[in-house]
Amino acid sequence: QKEVEQDPGPLSVPEGAIVSLNCTYSNSAFQYFMWYRQYSRKGPELLMYTYSSGNKEDGRFTAQVDKSSKYISLFIRDSQPSDSATYLCAMTPGSSGSARQLTFGSGTQLTVLP
Amino acid sequence: DSGVTQTPKHLITATGQRVTLRCSPRSGDLSVYWYQQSLDQGLQFLIQYYNGEERAKGNILERFSAQQFPDLHSELNLSSLELGDSALYFCASSGAVNTGELFFGEGSRLTVL
Repeated sequence: QKEVEQDPGPLSVPEGAIVSLNCTYSNSAFQYFMWYRQYSRKGPELLMYTYSSGNKEDGRFTAQVDKSSKYISLFIRDSQPSDSATYLCAMTPGSSGSARQLTFGSGTQLTVLP
Repeated sequence: DSGVTQTPKHLITATGQRVTLRCSPRSGDLSVYWYQQSLDQGLQFLIQYYNGEERAKGNILERFSAQQFPDLHSELNLSSLELGDSALYFCASSGAVNTGELFFGEGSRLTVL
């Protein structure tokens, strides 16, 4: 069983839809949770970053972490065709120098149709 | 543009051969990370260097090695290549402030025939 599980999709939604992307994890030591976005033929780029449980909002994006359930989510409101990409969740145990040995989910491929 | 430069972008080689992938981190970043991305395994952490010293190892095969030079650029050496080594290899760098953010290059796509 992988430490981080993510539904690979693909997921297709119409423009303007609310998108929900999710990951589950098994390692209770994970404290920092991130969402990266990866466009085709590009490297991943950080989209959202949260520490421990709770919600964080940034424009059309909201990240939620539920540590009791070992479950994290990314919501995209008013989705746009430019949001079409692969979304990878990532997490790490702590703030030491090794914190950035991120464990990634396999990624969910999202297509937003005009 | 993340500021991380990787070369070559594409590489095709045969089984048993050896290749070297090169990475220049963002200006001022001391840490370099190497990740392998394949369809079946996703993004896998290979190794981390900080200011020239190995800091952490992940799922890196013994056939693979890396180093970081005094000018902070890094090289990933892959030897005795097998078909299963075909993948995208990403380099990432990070700054001093622990924001959890990695800046990824555009990757080197390796095809082993």
